[in-house]
Amino acid sequence: GAGVSQSPSNKVTEKGKDVELRCDPISGHTALYWYRQSLGQGLEFLIYFQGNSAPDKSGLPSDRFSAERTGGSVSTLTIQRTQQEDSAVYLCASSFLLSEQFFGPGTRLTVL
Amino acid sequence: AQSVTQLGSHVSVSEGALVLLRCNYSSSVPPYLFWYVQYPNQGLQLLLKYTSAATLVKGINGFEAEFKKSETSFHLTKPSAHMSDAAEYFCAVSDQAGNNRKLIWGLGTSLAVNP
Repeated sequence: GAGVSQSPSNKVTEKGKDVELRCDPISGHTALYWYRQSLGQGLEFLIYFQGNSAPDKSGLPSDRFSAERTGGSVSTLTIQRTQQEDSAVYLCASSFLLSEQFFGPGTRLTVL
Repeated sequence: AQSVTQLGSHVSVSEGALVLLRCNYSSSVPPYLFWYVQYPNQGLQLLLKYTSAATLVKGINGFEAEFKKSETSFHLTKPSAHMSDAAEYFCAVSDQAGNNRKLIWGLGTSLAVNP
């Protein structure tokens, strides 16, 4: 099945380290979203890519967070100098244009 | 700005009983509304969505929801609960207009189904 895939599924890191989370969207989907699911905060929008347009970064919580989408397909979310409050499940979703979003299984990030 | 409130972080029902999960939204523009389900150790799955067509929306697994603009509500119901319905349910809202369909989420309701 060609669903949204994310890697790694789990990531444990030490405070202060950088991490990269990867998302492979459904082939042909033009839009890609990153969300974060954490205890007490629920699900939060982080960033949105649509085709070649400038990404909507309005949900990124700090300048330690960045994301890119290469070739309109794979996306990488990078967190620099991780903090314990960054511990969460990071979810990626893709859609064709503005239609239904399909979610990946997520990456569980634990910052020690 | 948009927001979603889900009343009741935990709901428990008996198998065969009515399921009612409450969702109220706030939006300054016409909204799209969604219910997603998350089974243990699985990803989010769309149950149903309101996109300004019919106000009563039917989804998968026997669930339905009714958009009530006057009450700013989009409650999720199922006439008869099944053990397999035990999961976390999330209500979400997005803009109808614009070119960004980012979802604004409620905090979720955990549904337990008792035998």
